[in-house]
Amino acid sequence: NAGVMQNPRHLVRRRGQEARLRCSPVKGHSHVYWYRQLPEEGLKFMVYLQKENIIDESGMPKERFSAEFPKEGPSILRIQQVVRGDSAAYFCASSPQQSTDTQYFGPGTRLTVL
Amino acid sequence: AQKITQTQPGMFVQEKEAVTLDCTYDTSDQSYGLFWYKQPSSGEMIFLIYQGSYDEQNATEGRYSLNFQKARKSANLVISASQLGDSAMYFCAMRENDYKLSFGAGTTVTVRA
Repeated sequence: NAGVMQNPRHLVRRRGQEARLRCSPVKGHSHVYWYRQLPEEGLKFMVYLQKENIIDESGMPKERFSAEFPKEGPSILRIQQVVRGDSAAYFCASSPQQSTDTQYFGPGTRLTVL
Repeated sequence: AQKITQTQPGMFVQEKEAVTLDCTYDTSDQSYGLFWYKQPSSGEMIFLIYQGSYDEQNATEGRYSLNFQKARKSANLVISASQLGDSAMYFCAMRENDYKLSFGAGTTVTVRA
C-alpha cells in the first residue's frame, strides 16, 4: 500500500537551470496539492490540482513556476530559471475522493540552488 | 495575520512523561478542520490527528490526543508517555475553503532519556 511518492528526494541545480519535481499520489487519490517549506518555516500552499485541471494556483509565484497533473503519470512541479531563493523543501500531498479528506504527504524534494 | 500560531519554538520532555504542544488559530469560517503533523529529522510529514470544527468529542489516536477548545480557538496536541522516537518538529495546520492547509511555524520536541 504505497503512500505518496516524490522524486527526486534531493535535487541540486545551478542558477538559471530548470527543476522538475515529480509526485505520484496514493493509488486512487485524485487530488494533489503542492506545498513549499522554506528553512525554519511551516509549509505554504502553492497549488491544488485534480486530474488534468488546475483548481487553485493562488500560492504559486506568477513567473517561472508551473504545475500539471496529467491523465496518465505523476504530477509535475516545474521551476524554470531557478534562483537561490527557490531553495526549499517541496512537498506533495494527496487526498482521496473529496478535497475535504485528510491530505497525506510525500517525503518531499529538497531543492538546492547553487 | 497569522492563521495558526504555535508559541513554543522548542520543548524538552522526559521520556515517559506527557507533553502539550500549543496551537491557536484564527478563522471566521464555521466549518474548518485542524490537523497535527510530525516532521522527524528525516524530513517527511507524518499525519497524526484530525479534529473537525463540528466534532464534539476531542480526537484521539493512540498516544496522541487533541484538546479542542472552540471558544478559545485552540487545538493543543497532547503526547502521552513520550518516547525517544517522538523527538521531531510538530506542525499544527488548519484547513479552510475545503482544501488549503495553513501551517504554523512548528514546535521542536526533544525527548530526553
